[in-house]
Amino acid sequence: DTEVTQTPKHLVMGMTNKKSLKCEQHMGHRAMYWYKQKAKKPPELMFVYSYEKLSINESVPSRFSPECPNSSLLNLHLHALQPEDSALYLCASSSPPQGIGYTFGSGTRLTVV
Amino acid sequence: DQQVKQNSPSLSVQEGRISILNCDYTNSMFDYFLWYKKYPAEGPTFLISISSIKDKNEDGRFTVFLNKSAKHLSLHIVPSQPGDSAVYFCAASAGNTPLVFGKGTRLSVIA
Repeated sequence: DTEVTQTPKHLVMGMTNKKSLKCEQHMGHRAMYWYKQKAKKPPELMFVYSYEKLSINESVPSRFSPECPNSSLLNLHLHALQPEDSALYLCASSSPPQGIGYTFGSGTRLTVV
Repeated sequence: DQQVKQNSPSLSVQEGRISILNCDYTNSMFDYFLWYKKYPAEGPTFLISISSIKDKNEDGRFTVFLNKSAKHLSLHIVPSQPGDSAVYFCAASAGNTPLVFGKGTRLSVIA
């Protein structure tokens, strides 16, 4: 298995909703990432988990809450989002060192209404 | 401050000709560079990479050139094919740091 699987592919949520994005990989990678990408912009790093521990939080607002239950799973819990949070959310994984060989999922297209 | 810059938002090339995509960087600590290709509604897929100890890496139709003194790299695609039409992202890392991406260049290969 050489894939990173993200669910759901599309999500529409209201500003008072609570939802979660899920990411799964079975490549034995021990680093996992959340990126946010808006139209015509580069992917922007949000969080990095290394060996199931949060190692980087790029000053992301607390309405985004990451969770890494085990080495194969990465969740992003969403609560009280704003319309400007609408974007493509990409999950990636890699074997350390972190800069080499990222595998990305297809992303979740999130729309906040 | 953008550490990885792709100054051309788009590029159109005829099928069979060479596509050259450019990327500049500002962080002299970057030691590993990658190109990713992205189709609409899909995540980026790895294309080719180069370490800072090299100045060229070739893989089939794709060649990446690195000019460290100019802090510049380029991706050459020869010959270009319609299926190469996508957004190409340049990315870089320094040691074990996460990848930093450029804004991307949309390549259109015209049959």
